Amino acid sequence: RKEVEQDPGPFNVPEGATVAFNCTYSNSASQSFFWYRQDCRKEPKLLMSVYSSGNEDGRFTAQLNRASQYISLLIRDSKLSDSATYLCVVNFYSGGYQKVTFGTGTKLQVIP
Amino acid sequence: DGGITQSPKYLFRKEGQNVTLSCEQNLNHDAMYWYRQDPGQGLRLIYYSHIVNDFQKGDIAEGYSVSREKKESFPLTVTSAQKNPTAFYLCASSSVREGYTFGSGTRLTVV
Repeated sequence: RKEVEQDPGPFNVPEGATVAFNCTYSNSASQSFFWYRQDCRKEPKLLMSVYSSGNEDGRFTAQLNRASQYISLLIRDSKLSDSATYLCVVNFYSGGYQKVTFGTGTKLQVIP
Repeated sequence: DGGITQSPKYLFRKEGQNVTLSCEQNLNHDAMYWYRQDPGQGLRLIYYSHIVNDFQKGDIAEGYSVSREKKESFPLTVTSAQKNPTAFYLCASSSVREGYTFGSGTRLTVV
């Protein structure tokens, strides 16, 4: 089983739709979680951290389910500019160092 | 402004030639990383370094080498032993509080 797994998509959704992605992780000792956005031929950029209690930033909501070992990202009222690949990132700390694992990303295409 | 700078943006390598990709950060981050990304694929870890003068192999280190003589710098050399080097290379640095910051990447093409 991969350490971090994502559905590669693509998810093709109309403007205004709500879309959700999940990301599962295998290491139950994982301690911090993030969602990154990567536009075509660009570097990934931090979208939001994922907190245990869930967190929201505008149209974006991130949630963590430790029991089932997954994180989710919900995008409401999708915009054309949301089209990108969304990477989940899972950290755990061992011996004072962090080990970071990236998912392979979920591609979102918002269509007019 | 703090950030992480990669250069060059585009690099062309001849068969059998070694090339070095630069990565510099002024974020005062201890940890630095090199990733490779192929078209339509995820990030694969090449090398990482948590402190100066120490670095570890990632998942695909063969054909690559690194050094970490200064906290700010983590250059990656793509050697002639790397048989398929054409890819997008991303450098990143991180701290516990700030997470990951990526450079803008270097596109390496073998000609």
